[in-house]
Amino acid sequence: GDSVTQMEGPVTLSEEAFLTINCTYTATGYPSLFWYVQYPGEGLQLLLKATKADDKGSNKGFEATYRKETTSFHLEKGSVQVSDSAVYFCALSDSGSTDKLIFGTGTRLQVFP
Amino acid sequence: DAMVIQNPRYQVTQFGKPVTLSCSQTLNHNVMYWYQQKSSQAPKLLFHYYDKDFNNEADTPDNFQSRRPNTSFCFLDIRSPGLGDAAMYLCATSREGQGLYEQYFGPGTRLTVT
Repeated sequence: GDSVTQMEGPVTLSEEAFLTINCTYTATGYPSLFWYVQYPGEGLQLLLKATKADDKGSNKGFEATYRKETTSFHLEKGSVQVSDSAVYFCALSDSGSTDKLIFGTGTRLQVFP
Repeated sequence: DAMVIQNPRYQVTQFGKPVTLSCSQTLNHNVMYWYQQKSSQAPKLLFHYYDKDFNNEADTPDNFQSRRPNTSFCFLDIRSPGLGDAAMYLCATSREGQGLYEQYFGPGTRLTVT
């Protein structure tokens, strides 16, 4: 079945460092891809999305490009802030018959001043 | 602001005592979802409604039930909570299915079973 694999955390960075969180997927159809962020004690918030190959999603300085050839959707940010500390989930949604998201296991990011 | 609201934010129940969690939305979305999220894990879909059509995940225990009396409200009933049911329960909505539209999540209800 469809699945999402994320790099394990925690990822620990100093403020203003460059961030990459790797995400790869397996899907039989043509999924939409999402990054969600979860701050401590809160629900998930959509960070960005891409619905077809070569699309780039971006929001709040974060970017991710839908790479069909490598089945990847890596999250990047050029300069992280302490306020970016959270858990990041990569997810896919099959554009076929299902309505559900399949999540990766999440990657915790810790940014220190 | 349009949003997804979950009540209560924290719920404590006793082992075996039925509990109901509620979710409401002002987004007028067709689809509503219930997820279970245990500590340091990804959310796990329990079931979802597409309008009034109920869709249960194959591995969701019978102990978990849901009701959607109207577009705006959805309830999660746990008939006999066990210690293993302690988790964060997340409600989410989306405008349509087919995977093209993002899901909007509520803040979650943290359930403790004593």
